[in-house]
Amino acid sequence: SQKIEQNSEALNIQEGKTATLTCNYTNYSPAYLQWYRQDPGRGPVFLLLIRENEKEKRKERLKVTFDTTLKQSLFHITASQPADSATYLCALRRGGANNLFFGTGTRLTVIP
Amino acid sequence: DSGVTQTPKHLITATGQRVTLRCSPRSGDLSVYWYQQSLDQGLQFLIQYYNGEERAKGNILERFSAQQFPDLHSELNLSSLELGDSALYFCASSAYGLEETQYFGPGTRLLVL
Repeated sequence: SQKIEQNSEALNIQEGKTATLTCNYTNYSPAYLQWYRQDPGRGPVFLLLIRENEKEKRKERLKVTFDTTLKQSLFHITASQPADSATYLCALRRGGANNLFFGTGTRLTVIP
Repeated sequence: DSGVTQTPKHLITATGQRVTLRCSPRSGDLSVYWYQQSLDQGLQFLIQYYNGEERAKGNILERFSAQQFPDLHSELNLSSLELGDSALYFCASSAYGLEETQYFGPGTRLLVL
């Protein structure tokens, strides 16, 4: 079955630094991979999508990379702010499937 | 605000009972997904409906069922509830079911005592 691992349950960084979160997957080749942000008690919110034939995607202070050989995606938040504190989930959809498989998430805390 | 609504926000019930969770998708979205999120399992896909028809099934227990009505709202029915069913239940919607982005509702927090 599909397994998606996010590198750590929690990550603390200093404000202004770059946060790097890791998502590793096994068993399937995803058509694309997504990153979501989830605040406590709320539903996930879509941030970025990267396709299997793309190496990198950027949106403002966010950057996602996708290495299909390593079966890994990295999610970067540059110039981090306390407002970036949340849980970040990676999710993938394999080719031919409609549903998303989610990782367990990394809880990021940006310390002022 | 994603445009997806879920009711109720909180639900407290006893083991063995049955509950119904309701979801209204974003205006115009035909596809609805249900997810369960517990502390130890993360966000787990349960089931997807597209325009009234079941499209995909995930880790949904036989005690759980869902349907999507002609007005496109969806209900998730949970029966013979067990303590382990306590979780956050999210509904998400997308336009056609093959869209890359899913829009999540605020969730229903279910507590089974």
